[in-house]
Amino acid sequence: DQQVKQNSPSLSVQEGRISILNCDYTNSMFDYFLWYKKYPAEGPTFLISISSIKDKNEDGRFTVFLNKSAKHLSLHIVPSQPGDSAVYFCAASDSQTGANNLFFGTGTRLTVIP
Amino acid sequence: ETGVTQTPRHLVMGMTNKKSLKCEQHLGHNAMYWYKQSAKKPLELMFVYNFKEQTENNSVPSRFSPECPNSSHLFLHLHTLQPEDSALYLCASSQDLGGRGGQETQYFGPGTRLLVL
Repeated sequence: DQQVKQNSPSLSVQEGRISILNCDYTNSMFDYFLWYKKYPAEGPTFLISISSIKDKNEDGRFTVFLNKSAKHLSLHIVPSQPGDSAVYFCAASDSQTGANNLFFGTGTRLTVIP
Repeated sequence: ETGVTQTPRHLVMGMTNKKSLKCEQHLGHNAMYWYKQSAKKPLELMFVYNFKEQTENNSVPSRFSPECPNSSHLFLHLHTLQPEDSALYLCASSQDLGGRGGQETQYFGPGTRLLVL
């Protein structure tokens, strides 16, 4: 059973608007969460992460929000740019039992329309 | 070269062939990983090496055989694969913080797109 889920396979957003990508998880022991971005023919590129001791982490146009009670995290991109068009993967790990073991979602394909 | 590199980028092989995938990391990390990405499935962790020692083997069939001669190089030897093994194989590395409680970020290579005929 998948422990990390991205229920929206795709998302289209107008350039300049906000993109919101969502991720849900089932394992309450997860304490570290990451977002990766993947362009075609390239490997996933680390984007931003958040520890479970925080509920928000911001890096430039990218902000990740964590709602532990709902077991939900989201990635906000604002303003969205055409170069942000890619597949975004959410990942999670339980650092107490296996920091090396990252669990990934199936990804959301973001298309930013110029 | 910087980051994590993988060769070859594309590979077509028959079911009776033997081939190897190579990964090299230039980040000074001490942990390396093999992942498999099949269409419409999440990335699946196959193997983990910490300080050259294999620490995870997620029920991977023996037709996949990893080798880690040093902390910068990782190989995946392939033998008598099946068509369902066709996938994108990704290598990653991270800095193992040691002990429990570490929160590590893994950095990925570009992957090898494998097609088994």
